[in-house]
Amino acid sequence: KQEVTQIPAALSVPEGENLVLNCSFTDSAIYNLQWFRQDPGKGLTSLLLIQSSQREQTSGRLNASLDKSSGRSTLYIAASQPGDSATYLCAAATEWGAQKLVFGQGTRLTINP
Amino acid sequence: DAGVIQSPRHEVTEMGQEVTLRCKPISGHDYLFWYRQTMMRGLELLIYFNNNVPIDDSGMPEDRFSAKMPNASFSTLKIQPSEPRDSAVYFCASSSQRGGLETQYFGPGTRLLVL
Repeated sequence: KQEVTQIPAALSVPEGENLVLNCSFTDSAIYNLQWFRQDPGKGLTSLLLIQSSQREQTSGRLNASLDKSSGRSTLYIAASQPGDSATYLCAAATEWGAQKLVFGQGTRLTINP
Repeated sequence: DAGVIQSPRHEVTEMGQEVTLRCKPISGHDYLFWYRQTMMRGLELLIYFNNNVPIDDSGMPEDRFSAKMPNASFSTLKIQPSEPRDSAVYFCASSSQRGGLETQYFGPGTRLLVL
């Protein structure tokens, strides 16, 4: 059974810093790994999706990497801004095509002005 | 596109009552997912459909929960009878597997409180 873990559960950093959020998964036979953002009281917004054959994906100030052999993914946020404050969740797709996602518990990120 | 639409946004009910949550997926999407989010258990997949057919309901907690998708633009999640432990935020999401675009798009959620 796939299990996804995110460490730390919460992170607070000053504005402008670069930071890394971590995600680990127990079963390396994943189809893809996705990173989502969730604002308080809102739904999830997809940030990046990395296929199992890829090593990383980039979107603006965000870069996500995937290392299947070690069961890890990281989300790198460059030059953090207060608007980046949110909960970030990673999710591993365990079946081809159907995207049966298994989510981590999330990292609550606070960027202090 | 308006995105995934869920109703109601908030629901407060008493134990034993029937609760029906509704979802309209993004037009053209062929997969629909129902999730439940709680502080203790995080985000859990309850059931998902492909082309209106239930594919995997192994996440449905018990027989009190049922889900239907009568057509490509509408799905319901029903709880009967409801219990306080069902209190959670319920999300609907949809995706399209065509062209390799597999990102799931989430609705705003329905916040359910069972007293």
